[in-house]
Amino acid sequence: GDSVTQMEGPVTLSEEAFLTINCTYTATGYPSLFWYVQYPGEGLQLLLKATKADDKGSNKGFEATYRKETTSFHLEKGSVQVSDSAVYFCALRGAKTSYDKVIFGPGTSLSVIP
Amino acid sequence: DGGITQSPKYLFRKEGQNVTLSCEQNLNHDAMYWYRQDPGQGLRLIYYSQIVNDFQKGDIAEGYSVSREKKESFPLTVTSAQKNPTAFYLCASRFEGDVSPLHFGNGTRLTVT
Repeated sequence: GDSVTQMEGPVTLSEEAFLTINCTYTATGYPSLFWYVQYPGEGLQLLLKATKADDKGSNKGFEATYRKETTSFHLEKGSVQVSDSAVYFCALRGAKTSYDKVIFGPGTSLSVIP
Repeated sequence: DGGITQSPKYLFRKEGQNVTLSCEQNLNHDAMYWYRQDPGQGLRLIYYSQIVNDFQKGDIAEGYSVSREKKESFPLTVTSAQKNPTAFYLCASRFEGDVSPLHFGNGTRLTVT
């Protein structure tokens, strides 16, 4: 079945450091891919998405490129801020799911220190 | 502003009692979902509903029940049959369509002792 794997962390970075959170997936066909962010005590918010191979999603300085050849959707940011401290979830919606299901990775906790 | 409202934010119950978590949305979304979040396990789907008066089991439906009598509302009942009910519960909704993302509420943290 479809699945998502991501580095679990926790990840601790200094402010202005470069961030990469790896995400790889297994799915049939061409799934849609998402990154969601969860701040403490809150629900998840969509951060960015990509719907086909080579698409680049971007938002708030974060970027991720849909790589079909490596089945990856790694999240990157050039210079993190303390306010980026949160849990980040990679997710996919399969192209051939029998019902409307979004599959989430386990989440990666990020802490940014001043 | 449109959004999803989950209430209450914190809920405490004694073991053996049923408890109902509320989820209301004013986004006019067709589909609604309940997820359970446990530390280190990501989100697991409990139930989902694509239209009023219809719903489907997700991956971990045992011990839970739902109803969808109105488009705006999708309450979740955690029954006494759920063996490990203590968790963070998230409600979400979305428009129908391949690339429409999920919109989440702020969650309800249920503690059963």
